[in-house]
Amino acid sequence: GQNIDQPTEMTATEGAIVQINCTYQTSGFNGLFWYQQHAGEAPTFLSYNVLDGLEEKGRFSSFLSRSKGYSYLLLKELQMKDSASYLCAVTNDYKLSFGAGTTVTVRA
Amino acid sequence: DAGITQSPRHKVTETGTPVTLRCHQTENHRYMYWYRQDPGHGLRLIHYSYGVKDTDKGEVSDGYSVSRSKTEDFLLTLESATSSQTSVYFCAISPISNTEAFFGQGTRLTVV
Repeated sequence: GQNIDQPTEMTATEGAIVQINCTYQTSGFNGLFWYQQHAGEAPTFLSYNVLDGLEEKGRFSSFLSRSKGYSYLLLKELQMKDSASYLCAVTNDYKLSFGAGTTVTVRA
Repeated sequence: DAGITQSPRHKVTETGTPVTLRCHQTENHRYMYWYRQDPGHGLRLIHYSYGVKDTDKGEVSDGYSVSRSKTEDFLLTLESATSSQTSVYFCAISPISNTEAFFGQGTRLTVV
């Protein structure tokens, strides 16, 4: 089975840094995705980690430790438009399974 | 943007009626997925397809069936809709497994 856990909500101030953790216990693992979803919209791709380590893409970075079943998404220099849900997803062969998502609220 | 269209975008139906949701893609991607999204549960996989006429169940497949007779279309059918199937349904596509999936805009289904 798939068990993917992430915090339900986080709040941070504009300009700050927020780290969203994701832990997973899955029957198989090929890689880990992070998606962003604004309210009422479709999820959009942010990052993909296959190997251990940090992947950086502008203000967003994602880290993976396969031995620990752990990932985090780091959002730097937070902007109001970053208020959204962030979804952690694990891929195993053909399947893409999601956690429940973390709602991030950015305050001025 | 990936060419993926869901129809209808909104639907209200009565309990016990059959409902079919359509996902159409113009990207010729092999993999297609149907998810439902509910508060507190995130995206849950209903069914997926890894080729024409090749489908398999996800984690919440009870009460749903799918068909894929051609590459571009993936249909999700609720044989007899129930109120517990009120949800937002998302279709997703990807060219190969273990790569970025692109999502449609979603279908909001209400069963009354």
